[in-house]
Amino acid sequence: AQSVAQPEDQVNVAEGNPLTVKCTYSVSGNPYLFWYVQYPNRGLQFLLKYITGDNLVKGSYGFEAEFNKSQTSFHLKKPSALVSDSALYFCAVRDMTKGGYSTLTFGKGTMLLVSP
Amino acid sequence: NAGVTQTPKFRVLKTGQSMTLLCAQDMNHEYMYWYRQDPGMGLRLIHYSVGEGTTAKGEVPDGYNVSRLKKQNFLLGLESAAPSQTSVYFCASSLIQGVQPQHFGDGTRLSIL
Repeated sequence: AQSVAQPEDQVNVAEGNPLTVKCTYSVSGNPYLFWYVQYPNRGLQFLLKYITGDNLVKGSYGFEAEFNKSQTSFHLKKPSALVSDSALYFCAVRDMTKGGYSTLTFGKGTMLLVSP
Repeated sequence: NAGVTQTPKFRVLKTGQSMTLLCAQDMNHEYMYWYRQDPGMGLRLIHYSVGEGTTAKGEVPDGYNVSRLKKQNFLLGLESAAPSQTSVYFCASSLIQGVQPQHFGDGTRLSIL
């Protein structure tokens, strides 16, 4: 089975500073990778995905992620953090069921706290 | 455009009671999913459906049943609720598996006493 790991439970950053939320993956074959964000009492919202192509993927709200095959990583980044970016962030990877269907396997999540 | 709607938003049950969680999507998506979210464990797939009339087990299916009688609806049932099923339940849908993103509802918070 495919898997992703988010090594940090929480990331703290000051507003205006760059932020990085880490994700590493373990897959057989080519990975399909996703980032989602969850605000309090809401469902997950899609931020960006890597399927193929350019290793730097741009997404919603100014976020981007860098796919690094040699390090098996897909870190989420933003050049300048906003207080409103404070939320729970999930990395996910496409997985395949025994029946041949695609599902998503999520990491445990990283809480991002941006201080004013 | 409502997207994915889950009802109810909150519910408290007693051990042994039954209930059904409803998920409705208006995007004509073929694929639908039920997850549970527990602190420190991320989201875990309970059941999923690849089309009307189909259902399949995910990672943690025990104690749950599902039905997809209509394309737009995906029901999650708890026949005999247990305290271990206290969780936040999310429904999601997608147009194409594995490539297009999943769209999530805002969740149902379920407490079982």
